[in-house]
Amino acid sequence: EIVLTQSPATLSLSPGERATLSCRASQSVSTYLAWYQQKPGQAPRLLIYDASNRATGIPARFSGSASGTDFTLTISSLEPEDFAVYYCQQRSNWITFGQGTRLEIK
Amino acid sequence: QVQLVESGGGVVQPGRSLRLSCAASGFTFNTYAVHWVRQAPGKGLEWVALISYDGSNTYYADSVRGRFTISRDNSKNTLYLQMNSLRVEDTAIYYCARGLGGTYWYFDVWGRGTLVTVSS
Repeated sequence: EIVLTQSPATLSLSPGERATLSCRASQSVSTYLAWYQQKPGQAPRLLIYDASNRATGIPARFSGSASGTDFTLTISSLEPEDFAVYYCQQRSNWITFGQGTRLEIK
Repeated sequence: QVQLVESGGGVVQPGRSLRLSCAASGFTFNTYAVHWVRQAPGKGLEWVALISYDGSNTYYADSVRGRFTISRDNSKNTLYLQMNSLRVEDTAIYYCARGLGGTYWYFDVWGRGTLVTVSS
């Protein structure tokens, strides 16, 4: 099983700041990685797929990148509605998710 | 609008069975693969099962293989999950999710979920 490790567990930032969330795979997943946002009481929402492709309707402030087994989700300038939990997911070998990063208001 | 609505959750004793349903609307259901994904209370996400657009192929997580069965009725635009031999650790919100077109191992549309509680 491919294990995805997300860091940090919690990230405290202010609106307007830049957020950088990380996801490391235990083995190569090529670029077969997605990012989701989940707010309390809601279902997850697809943000990024295949490491760097924004899903339909996702604002340009969200971007994804990859370097080997390390993946990054960047939010260029935080809006109040961006504070949520973020999960990465790989599809290279079945499907697994990371444990999540909570992005909270500082 | 594109929508998935789950139903059928509830409280069930260990060892018993439950069937979940997911009604799809707003898109051509029979052209998309669909999944079940679950989330234990306060925990992360776990993929459960996938069924191809025509029902000819199914895939399961190791944790549910042999106990759960995913199926679909394209004439009713409905997805199902038959859960047998339920365990306490199956307690979770169960989401149905549409596979992203062309790369169906990602999830681009989600329902709001239905809560399954397995407890004696």
